[in-house]
Amino acid sequence: DAGVTQSPTHLIKTRGQHVTLRCSPISGHKSVSWYQQVLGQGPQFIFQYYEKEERGRGNFPDRFSARQFPNYSSELNVNALLLGDSALYLCASSDRDQIYEQYFGPGTRLTVT
Amino acid sequence: AQSVTQLDSHVSVSEGTPVLLRCNYSSSYSPSLFWYVQHPNKGLQLLLKYTSAATLVKGINGFEAEFKKSETSFHLTKPSAHMSDAAEYFCVVSLISGGSYIPTFGRGTSLIVHP
Repeated sequence: DAGVTQSPTHLIKTRGQHVTLRCSPISGHKSVSWYQQVLGQGPQFIFQYYEKEERGRGNFPDRFSARQFPNYSSELNVNALLLGDSALYLCASSDRDQIYEQYFGPGTRLTVT
Repeated sequence: AQSVTQLDSHVSVSEGTPVLLRCNYSSSYSPSLFWYVQHPNKGLQLLLKYTSAATLVKGINGFEAEFKKSETSFHLTKPSAHMSDAAEYFCVVSLISGGSYIPTFGRGTSLIVHP
């Protein structure tokens, strides 16, 4: 079975631009969560979606938004990119509405110049 | 507020010797606790989880962790290190906030295994 997939694997953007990252959960999983992992630190929770509804939100500015589609895939959008947004963005899926045992994708490496 | 502290940024051991990765947490309520491992260029993988059942939790690849409420600790151990254990390890505490579980990751401990 395919695991969690994310696209693209790498991305380079300029300050002020907008970016969209994509995630497909494990088949049958209805929950998707997004994390930001800055180099040398642990992942920070951004959002959780379950059944297309936002269930949790971390301490991130409104420039960050997400949505979940009827097939349970998800997009993370970041507007007005800052240099500090450079990070590995991780997506995780779960078969429960509460964040419990999660399965992580390989991530998207975003570089903002 | 919940928080998690991984006491060592790096731990270096020889192959075949025991591993101890330390984690302390701060929480007003009984938390759910997890350890994840991240190998280079690979996704995070769940090693084990504690959710208020047995205090000694066994995970994959010979790892285990003991929940000690009095010490607010959840240290990860393995009797004998293998070269393939070299990776970044994250301790995670998860608490309900606004009706949803919000996970908080520690900064990570890099495990180095020498031949």
